[in-house]
Amino acid sequence: DAKTTQPNSMESNEEEPVHLPCNHSTISGTDYIHWYRQLPSQGPEYVIHGLTSNVNNRMASLAIAEDRKSSTLILHRATLRDAAVYYCILRDSDAGGTSYGKLTFGQGTILTVHP
Amino acid sequence: ETGVTQTPRHLVMGMTNKKSLKCEQHLGHNAMYWYKQSAKKPLELMFVYSLEERVENNSVPSRFSPECPNSSHLFLHLHTLQPEDSALYLCASSSLSRWDSPLHFGNGTRLTVT
Repeated sequence: DAKTTQPNSMESNEEEPVHLPCNHSTISGTDYIHWYRQLPSQGPEYVIHGLTSNVNNRMASLAIAEDRKSSTLILHRATLRDAAVYYCILRDSDAGGTSYGKLTFGQGTILTVHP
Repeated sequence: ETGVTQTPRHLVMGMTNKKSLKCEQHLGHNAMYWYKQSAKKPLELMFVYSLEERVENNSVPSRFSPECPNSSHLFLHLHTLQPEDSALYLCASSSLSRWDSPLHFGNGTRLTVT
């Protein structure tokens, strides 16, 4: 599986935007970029995913570099409930014909949100 | 509420005990997963079931025995565990209809082996 690199931790203030970076210099053409987050005492939850174009949903935006070697998850207005570990994961769309979602998690970025 | 329910939330067991973890989903998904999350380590994939057939076993010791009786239920049977098996065990499910269907996780069972 292609590897991602994320900062160990980041801090933000409430109601300010947060930009969480992810480097994936060995990304292949069939890898989608997925983001999950894990709130304290909970399982991970899906946030967003994309291939080449920037993506928006109700939770966040995903900005993907033109060369696809990096991406940024954007939380437009952080709230205290956004404090979590954020995982950037590459998911191969051509995984040997398998259709189930095998995710390989790294250490992620611990986001702290200050009131 | 995540749509994936795991019971019990907490479990303490001795090394000679036999116990089972249960996972239930009513999302209409047909793939189910067991992950292990140890302190200070990333989530590790243990088992994958696709259409009730085990399709991945990532070198998990035989003291962990999964069972998937139907597409809505997944069990992890535990016996003669070691203290290093203490961890958060997470169940997840997804749909096979789209390869990029997100995984939905439960909130896990916190297992302590004494």
